[in-house]
Amino acid sequence: DAGVIQSPRHEVTEMGQEVTLRCKPISGHNSLFWYRQTMMRGLELLIYFNNNVPIDDSGMPEDRFSAKMPNASFSTLKIQPSEPRDSAVYFCASETGRLNTEAFFGQGTRLTVV
Amino acid sequence: AQTVTQSQPEMSVQEAETVTLSCTYDTSENNYYLFWYKQPPSRQMILVIRQEAYKQQNATENRFSVNFQKAAKSFSLKISDSQLGDTAMYFCAFRGTGGSEKLVFGKGTKLTVNP
Repeated sequence: DAGVIQSPRHEVTEMGQEVTLRCKPISGHNSLFWYRQTMMRGLELLIYFNNNVPIDDSGMPEDRFSAKMPNASFSTLKIQPSEPRDSAVYFCASETGRLNTEAFFGQGTRLTVV
Repeated sequence: AQTVTQSQPEMSVQEAETVTLSCTYDTSENNYYLFWYKQPPSRQMILVIRQEAYKQQNATENRFSVNFQKAAKSFSLKISDSQLGDTAMYFCAFRGTGGSEKLVFGKGTKLTVNP
């Protein structure tokens, strides 16, 4: 398996534009997580899905953020409209769903909003 | 809510020496899982080692071992014979079993191994 695949690796956009980050989890994994990493706040969980259903979105900062998982092999995180403070590295991770197993992370998307 | 604290923002060690990174956590649960992840400059998050709270024996993976003190809610990572490739951010993470599947991460420790 190629691991968790995220695209794009880097994104630079202007304030106010819509940004869509994409994630393909590892086949057979039941749980998918979106994290945001910044110097100030570290790794924050934004939302996670279990069997394609959003379970906990309490970490989503504002209504400008939305996430979907239309099927077991694809998820998106959308920011509309984007703001400079959204600049961060966004990680997607997937797991089998068993508590003692590790989360497998993608390479992350570095988002810069200017 | 569970919290994870890594009190050392940065550390450095000489190659071939031993270094210990500290982590404490707060929980009311009795059963849970603890993890150490490594994030090298490539940005990829990689699992280093995991510990199950109901196991008293400390986990070991080659040069990496943990000192798990359940009563003190402490979970430190020891790296023996440090190598230049160990230079990375290290994150401690907690997962409870009381209904939430999510990992709670500490803010990380930046480790630099000097030649």
